[in-house]
Amino acid sequence: KNEVEQSPQNLTAQEGEFITINCSYSVGISALHWLQQHPGGGIVSLFMLSSGKKKHGRLIATINIQEKHSSLHITASHPRDSAVYICAETSGSRLTFGEGTQLTVNP
Amino acid sequence: EAQVTQNPRYLITVTGKKLTVTCSQNMNHEYMSWYRQDPGLGLRQIYYSMNVEVTDKGDVPEGYKVSRKEKRNFPLILESPSPNQTSLYFCASSFVSARGVNEQFFGPGTRLTVL
Repeated sequence: KNEVEQSPQNLTAQEGEFITINCSYSVGISALHWLQQHPGGGIVSLFMLSSGKKKHGRLIATINIQEKHSSLHITASHPRDSAVYICAETSGSRLTFGEGTQLTVNP
Repeated sequence: EAQVTQNPRYLITVTGKKLTVTCSQNMNHEYMSWYRQDPGLGLRQIYYSMNVEVTDKGDVPEGYKVSRKEKRNFPLILESPSPNQTSLYFCASSFVSARGVNEQFFGPGTRLTVL
């Protein structure tokens, strides 16, 4: 069974700090997704990647296929980044999710 | 506006009373999927569909049915709901490429309570 593990489970940071959230998976995948769940519950897709690195604004996602590991970085964090960040691996058409990382950024 | 809609957003029902949660997308996506989210367990896939009339089980399909008669709609049916189906449900859709599922668009969620 595919397993996806995220760390840390909870993360508190001060505004402006550089943040890293990690995701490890157990089997070969088609792609790795990073999602953001807002405090109100809505979920948005941040990245989908199968190799290398992607950047969008202050968010950067990287993946190392050999090590079965992905990271989500947030530069110059802001209180509005406070949310749950979820990684999910896809093997074709099925998705398996990590439990999420609760990020709180204090002003 | 590109979106995935779900109805109802909130539902309180009783054990055994059949219910349907609707999901509709306006992006002509081939792939649609249902997930449930529970504290301590995260998101888990219930059923998914790669296209019209093509559906398959996810990790937690027991107690649920789905159908995909039209590309835009993917209803989730609970024929005889039980309290352990109390959860937050999300529908999502995406295009499909050679790599499989692409970035997904999520509906707003349906909070279901079964008494």
